Parts: sequence; structure tokens; C-alpha cells
Amino acid sequence: NAGVTQTPKFQVLKTGQSMTLQCAQDMNHNSMYWYRQDPGMGLRLIYYSASEGTTDKGEVPNGYNVSRLNKREFSLRLESAAPSQTSVYFCASTPWTAGNTIYFGEGSWLTVV
Amino acid sequence: AQSVSQHNHHVILSEAASLELGCNYSYGGTVNLFWYVQYPGQHLQLLLKYFSGDPLVKGIKGFEAEFIKSKFSFNLRKPSVQWSDTAEYFCAVKGNAGNMLTFGGGTRLMVKP
Repeated sequence: NAGVTQTPKFQVLKTGQSMTLQCAQDMNHNSMYWYRQDPGMGLRLIYYSASEGTTDKGEVPNGYNVSRLNKREFSLRLESAAPSQTSVYFCASTPWTAGNTIYFGEGSWLTVV
Repeated sequence: AQSVSQHNHHVILSEAASLELGCNYSYGGTVNLFWYVQYPGQHLQLLLKYFSGDPLVKGIKGFEAEFIKSKFSFNLRKPSVQWSDTAEYFCAVKGNAGNMLTFGGGTRLMVKP
């Protein structure tokens, strides 16, 4: 049981390049999330998907797009990377039934130069 | 919109000291509340959660938190900290009406041996 898997773990991009962060969960969870973590700012929600086929903006969606490809996978795309998008990105998932928690991936370190 | 505020950004304690980390949230309805811990270089792990019932919640590693609805607070406590508790701690809230999970800015705890 792998839980929440993110790829790549590390990436360096040049300004203006595009890339996609992949996230997959094998726990049959309905809800999936993408966060970015920056020093002193905690985790800020970029986008989330309450269920397959739906996506919603979070606190900081500008510069990002997402796709909920199927129930397992939720990808985050940077169309034209900017240095301000240098961050650690975390994917998370949860079934959101009562008493259940949120499971996080191990993070993706992205540097935009 | 829901939000979470953690007032202490950095806390330094000696081993065996007592710990209390503040967390206040804003949301107009029923909430689910969480405390997560992130050890250096690792991803987030759940310490404890509150969904309903007894407002005093016990978690792993001797941590507990108390939900005080009238104060919109969910403070984290531990009677006696250890050096191994050095980490960053995040409070999070999810409003019952939706799937958005919002984190506070985090508190960095350093425990001196």
C-alpha cells in the first residue's frame, strides 16, 4: 500500500518553462488536494478536488492548473513557471467520511531559476 | 472564508517544560480540526483530530488539544516536551459544509536538551 505518491521529488525549472506534478493515491479516496509550503506561511491550498470530475480553486490558484484524471490521480500544472513558484508542493487525499484523516505525499521540491 | 491563525511562530523550550501552542480559526459553522507535525525533512503527520464529541482530544506522543467553541480555539498541549519534539506544528480546519482544508502558518518548536 503506497498511500499518496508524488513525482518528481525534485525539479529545477527555468523561468517560463512548463511542467506537471503528478499525484496518485491507492486508497480509493474521493478528495484530493495540492498545497504549497513556504517558510513562515504554512501550507497554502492551491486547488482541490472534492470528487472525481470536480476541481475548485483554493487560496493561491494563480499560475496553476489541475486535472483530476480519474479517482486515483490529481495533477498540478505550471504553464509558465516563475521564481515565485519556487516551493515545496504537497499532494494530499482523504475519503472525508467521519473520523477519517488526510494523508500527505512526501513532497516535491521545485526550484524556478 | 475559513482561516486559521497560529500566534506563535517560534517557540524555544527546555526539555521537560510544558507546551501550549495557540490556534484560532474563523468559520461560521461546524468544523473539523487537526494538528499536524512535520519533522525536519519529512512530510506532515497527523497528531490528533477533532470531529465531534469530547472537546478534549488526545493524540499520539502525549499530545492533547482542547476545542473551545466559544473562543474558536484548538490549542495544542503537552505536559513535558522532549528533544525529539523539535519540529514544526500546523493547525488546520475544515468547515463541515465543504471540502476545503485550511492550514495555519505553522509554529516552529525547538526543544533544547
